[in-house]
Amino acid sequence: GAVVSQHPSRVICKSGTSVKIECRSLDFQATTMFWYRQFPKKSLMLMATSNEGSKATYEQGVEKDKFLINHASLTLSTLTVTSAHPEDSSFYICSAMTGKGADEQFFGPGTRLTVL
Amino acid sequence: DAKTTQPPSMDCAEGRAANLPCNHSTISGNEYVYWYRQIHSQGPQYIIHGLKNNETNEMASLIITEDRKSSTLILPHATLRDTAVYYCIVRVRSGGFKTIFGAGTRLFVKA
Repeated sequence: GAVVSQHPSRVICKSGTSVKIECRSLDFQATTMFWYRQFPKKSLMLMATSNEGSKATYEQGVEKDKFLINHASLTLSTLTVTSAHPEDSSFYICSAMTGKGADEQFFGPGTRLTVL
Repeated sequence: DAKTTQPPSMDCAEGRAANLPCNHSTISGNEYVYWYRQIHSQGPQYIIHGLKNNETNEMASLIITEDRKSSTLILPHATLRDTAVYYCIVRVRSGGFKTIFGAGTRLFVKA
């Protein structure tokens, strides 16, 4: 299957700082990428859908000014957690799809964010 | 909201078949049944999907009832490495779909 990578795999930052997480499709072009957040022992929660070259679509209750998403190329989407606080500590997972006809969805390995 | 209902947890003996049920009584005609699993602290891994026919691949088999209101994922010979959370998801297969995860089933494979 296709490979999706995330960087960094884990990050620790101080409260009030901003953190950028990268999601890359390594061997295919992803017209659409998704960002999920997962708290311990909970399921994945969809945060937003990111389409290349256009603004992301955020799910209800997700602050777009807090979680900035940029999908500038067909292989890269970034999620920036702005002015991070301890409650933003979570496991962030991206996924990507090709956009060609019947699509499958490939998930990245996740990024563990800890805000002190 | 997720459109599926799964038992929160199941146990299975190593080497035995693991049968994971899923109810999706409101599934639409153009929605597929997908199964993913998530091993601790990793991203979800695709397992299998189907529309109405039973499907089999190197990982598992998927049995979908004739009315499509429920399905069963079968791991024929479970190993300790199959311990994970298994998610059953229904969605369309193209055209701007979103994958919404429910609570899933936590499968414990025991030696």
